[in-house]
Amino acid sequence: AQSVTQLGSHVSVSEGALVLLRCNYSSSVPPYLFWYVQYPNQGLQLLLKYTTGATLVKGINGFEAEFKKSETSFHLTKPSAHMSDAAEYFCAVSGSARQLTFGSGTQLTVLP
Amino acid sequence: GAVVSQHPSRVICKSGTSVKIECRSLDFQATTMFWYRQFPKQSLMLMATSNEGSKATYEQGVEKDKFLINHASLTLSTLTVTSAHPEDSSFYICSARPLAGTYEQYFGPGTRLTVT
Repeated sequence: AQSVTQLGSHVSVSEGALVLLRCNYSSSVPPYLFWYVQYPNQGLQLLLKYTTGATLVKGINGFEAEFKKSETSFHLTKPSAHMSDAAEYFCAVSGSARQLTFGSGTQLTVLP
Repeated sequence: GAVVSQHPSRVICKSGTSVKIECRSLDFQATTMFWYRQFPKQSLMLMATSNEGSKATYEQGVEKDKFLINHASLTLSTLTVTSAHPEDSSFYICSARPLAGTYEQYFGPGTRLTVT
């Protein structure tokens, strides 16, 4: 069984500031981890994923995430927020059943 | 590449009627498709997993007779909400997994169902 906890349902940052969205997971098998972004009334777009290999993964739109097994974390970061980054972000884990389990989501607000 | 479409994007139906939502993988073949439901400001909840040519596997608490899923081909899955009621109003999202053995899913744009 697997689960995902996203700390902070709402995060606000100023434009140009660091974005940090937190994700902790639980999995009984080596996890595959994903970050998705969702804009209002739209589906999910994959930002990045960790499967195996390098623990620091880079995604689209300047986002990156680091897999830390010892901390069971997969936090999402971006050095400089842009207004267009305002959206809902979901962390997800896939285990042996190859189904995705999603976190509760974090709404990112970017302040001008 | 890896585009998934859903049709319709929005649908309004009267209580007691049925509505069908289509999910298509446009540029790849999907051995497995997934149907999710999302309530406002909430996460996605997996409803069912469908594999081409076989019966869908429903998650606990999802009524299989109410939410009929058909995965007739490697590029098309349909979700039919039968005898819809206002509480079925929600955002329904499908996803498709291209190949057996991969973990990645590609998501459709979602369908907003409103039952009046």
